[in-house]
Amino acid sequence: KNQVEQSPQSLIILEGKNCTLQCNYTVSPFSNLRWYKQDTGRGPVSLTIMTFSENTKSNGRYTATLDADTKQSSLHITASQLSDSASYICVVSDRGSTLGRLYFGRGTQLTVWP
Amino acid sequence: EADIYQTPRYLVIGTGKKITLECSQTMGHDKMYWYQQDPGMELHLIHYSYGVNSTEKGDLSSESTVSRIRTEHFPLTLESARPSHTSQYLCASSGQTGRVGGEKLFFGSGTQLSVL
Repeated sequence: KNQVEQSPQSLIILEGKNCTLQCNYTVSPFSNLRWYKQDTGRGPVSLTIMTFSENTKSNGRYTATLDADTKQSSLHITASQLSDSASYICVVSDRGSTLGRLYFGRGTQLTVWP
Repeated sequence: EADIYQTPRYLVIGTGKKITLECSQTMGHDKMYWYQQDPGMELHLIHYSYGVNSTEKGDLSSESTVSRIRTEHFPLTLESARPSHTSQYLCASSGQTGRVGGEKLFFGSGTQLSVL
């Protein structure tokens, strides 16, 4: 069983709307959680990195939240744009300052329609 | 943002051919990685290197091999390609950001390999 589960698997929204993607994990010990955006046929690009002590972090129209107690994270996208169409991947690390074992979710495929 | 490059972007070859996927980074990172990704699935680590002359196998069994003779270069080789090797191969490197949360992982654009 994958230790990082993402939902929904896919999502279609209209341009300008908001959406929230979910990530639940069982990785332990927990060090940090990362959200990546992966355009079709490209490599993932980092959006946010959150440590145990951080509850929320923003990067432009992207806001990530983390509840380390319930082992849940969300990525909220505000005022979606066509360029937001991509796969969003949640990645959990089990070690601190050095890059430990990374656990990847399967991603949420977001499609933004005009 | 990321200075990590993979070639070729796409490769279609016949069964039994030897291939090498190239990966180079100009960020001076000691750590480099190869991941394999199938559509709709999570990335799987197949090889990693923590520095020159250091290579290790990852979580996913792979018939490929890697070498790390120079810091900036981390090529992946398949001696005899098979249709089961058809996949996307992503190279990455990591370095300290100097902030809490530690290292940041940078990915190349990937090589989409199709073996006929």
